Amino acid sequence: KAGVTQTPRYLIKTRGQQVTLSCSPISGHRSVSWYQQTPGQGLQFLFEYFSETQRNKGNFPGRFSGRQFSNSRSEMNVSTLELGDSALYLCASSLAPGDYGYTFGSGTRLTVV
Amino acid sequence: AQTVTQSQPEMSVQEAETVTLSCTYDTSENNYYLFWYKQPPSRQMILVIRQEAYKQQNATENRFSVNFQKAAKSFSLKISDSQLGDTAMYFCAFLNNNAGNMLTFGGGTRLMVKP
Repeated sequence: KAGVTQTPRYLIKTRGQQVTLSCSPISGHRSVSWYQQTPGQGLQFLFEYFSETQRNKGNFPGRFSGRQFSNSRSEMNVSTLELGDSALYLCASSLAPGDYGYTFGSGTRLTVV
Repeated sequence: AQTVTQSQPEMSVQEAETVTLSCTYDTSENNYYLFWYKQPPSRQMILVIRQEAYKQQNATENRFSVNFQKAAKSFSLKISDSQLGDTAMYFCAFLNNNAGNMLTFGGGTRLMVKP
């Protein structure tokens, strides 16, 4: 079966712009989580969604937001981009909260210039 | 808040030999899960092995096994018969059952398997 699909794979944006990243979970998976990976801060949790509801949010400013659609696909949005937002953004899906068989996507590499 | 520490930024091992990656964590919780993930250059995070804190028996998956010491809050990964395809970043991760699906990761260990 298809894995977790993240689009686009690479993205270059200018400071001050906004960006939307997409994550399509494995078919049947309803829980989606997002992580930011940077050389300096490592892997940090952004959000978790289940049944179109945000269940948890990490310690990130309000410029970072997300949503989940009825088909479990999720998007995250970053507004007013800063250089420090340059990172690999990873999405993971699982059947539901409490199922710890996460499957990660290959991520979106965002570069802010 | 939980913290996960991987004290070895880089390690190398000869093909076919055994290597152990270290991980320690800090938590006041009693029920939690621990994971080792592998991240090759393809960037996808791949689950290597998982351990439930309530299980005393150490988890094993083929050439991969863990040494889980709950009292010491230690969770090391042993890779036996290392293969060139094991070259990757390895991340130790912690999950608290009571805090949702939120993984806390260590800083990672870059493992190089040499032919």
